Amino acid sequence: KNEVEQSPQNLTAQEGEFITINCSYSVGISALHWLQQHPGGGIVSLFMLSSGKKKHGRLIATINIQEKHSSLHITASHPRDSAVYICAVDVSPDMRFGAGTRLTVKP
Amino acid sequence: NAGVTQTPKFQVLKTGQSMTLQCAQDMNHNSMYWYRQDPGMGLRLIYYSASEGTTDKGEVPNGYNVSRLNKREFSLRLESAAPSQTSVYFCASRMTVSNYGYTFGSGTRLTVV
Repeated sequence: KNEVEQSPQNLTAQEGEFITINCSYSVGISALHWLQQHPGGGIVSLFMLSSGKKKHGRLIATINIQEKHSSLHITASHPRDSAVYICAVDVSPDMRFGAGTRLTVKP
Repeated sequence: NAGVTQTPKFQVLKTGQSMTLQCAQDMNHNSMYWYRQDPGMGLRLIYYSASEGTTDKGEVPNGYNVSRLNKREFSLRLESAAPSQTSVYFCASRMTVSNYGYTFGSGTRLTVV
């Protein structure tokens, strides 16, 4: 069993829909990261959080340390949000990565 | 504002050939990492360097070697490439080993035939 599990694996939405991607982990962590990987392959860091909630534009990330669970929400989704979203947990000195959620937003 | 620069972006090798993937960062980060990404799996750590002068094995080090040439540069070498090493390779860096975000390179798509 992977230490980091994401759901769903694939997600298709219509433009404007509210999106939720979930991440559960089974190890003790110092922080959790949400990353975005576009079709071109580059990986960009979206959030790093160790408690509570962070918001950046239309993206919101939450974490519940007691339940070992995090969610990434996208409000008013847009086709340019189409990408793979990756959850990763900091287990210093390394990170453990989920397999990713492939999001497709249709116009 | 280059961040993390990886070269080459694409490479095709024959089984048994050797090559070195180059990685350089200009953010004065202490820690550098090499990962591989395979379909349906999360990124897996090959080797890392917590600081200049140190390197350590990660989850999947077999068949690879690394060199932390200086604070900026961290190279990954395949001495005798095998088809199982066909993958996308990412270099990453961050300020210290914990509680700082990563900056990733753009990746190297390697095919071993």
